[in-house]
Amino acid sequence: GDSVTQMEGPVTLSEEAFLTINCTYTATGYPSLFWYVQYPGEGLQLLLKATKADDKGSNKGFEATYRKETTSFHLEKGSVQVSDSAVYFCALPSGSGNTPLVFGKGTRLSVIA
Amino acid sequence: DSGVTQTPKHLITATGQRVTLRCSPRSGDLSVYWYQQSLDQGLQFLIQYYNGEERAKGNILERFSAQQFPDLHSELNLSSLELGDSALYFCASSVALGETQYFGPGTRLLVL
Repeated sequence: GDSVTQMEGPVTLSEEAFLTINCTYTATGYPSLFWYVQYPGEGLQLLLKATKADDKGSNKGFEATYRKETTSFHLEKGSVQVSDSAVYFCALPSGSGNTPLVFGKGTRLSVIA
Repeated sequence: DSGVTQTPKHLITATGQRVTLRCSPRSGDLSVYWYQQSLDQGLQFLIQYYNGEERAKGNILERFSAQQFPDLHSELNLSSLELGDSALYFCASSVALGETQYFGPGTRLLVL
């Protein structure tokens, strides 16, 4: 079935460092791809999405490009802030006409001042 | 704020008990999804409703059931609770099938 693999955390970075969180997927066809973020003690928030190959999703300085050649959707940010400390989840619809999301295991990011 | 509301925010109960979690989707959204987040299993899909009808089932235990009412709010019923049911339960909604899902803040269930 459709699945997502994202890099294991935790990731610890200094403020203003460059961030990459890797995400690769296995899917039938070309589903939409999503990044969700969960801040401490809160629910999931949609961070960005891309709906077709070569699309770039962006929000709050974060970017991810839908690469069908490498089946990847890596999350990047040029300069992280302490407020970006959270758990990040890559996700895609489960396919076969259904739309429940399949999530990666999540990557915990800690940014230190 | 996603526009999806969930109540209660926290729930503490004992093994063997039954609880009901409530979700109100965003205005205009017809589809509701329930997910469970636990430390060992991660985020798992439980069940989906669309305009009052069950649409898809995931890893939902037989002790769990759900429904979506005519006003589109949904309830997740968990019965004969076990310690392992302790988790964060999320509701999400989307305007239609295949559209982006927006998540509520979750209900944190602790079974003692």
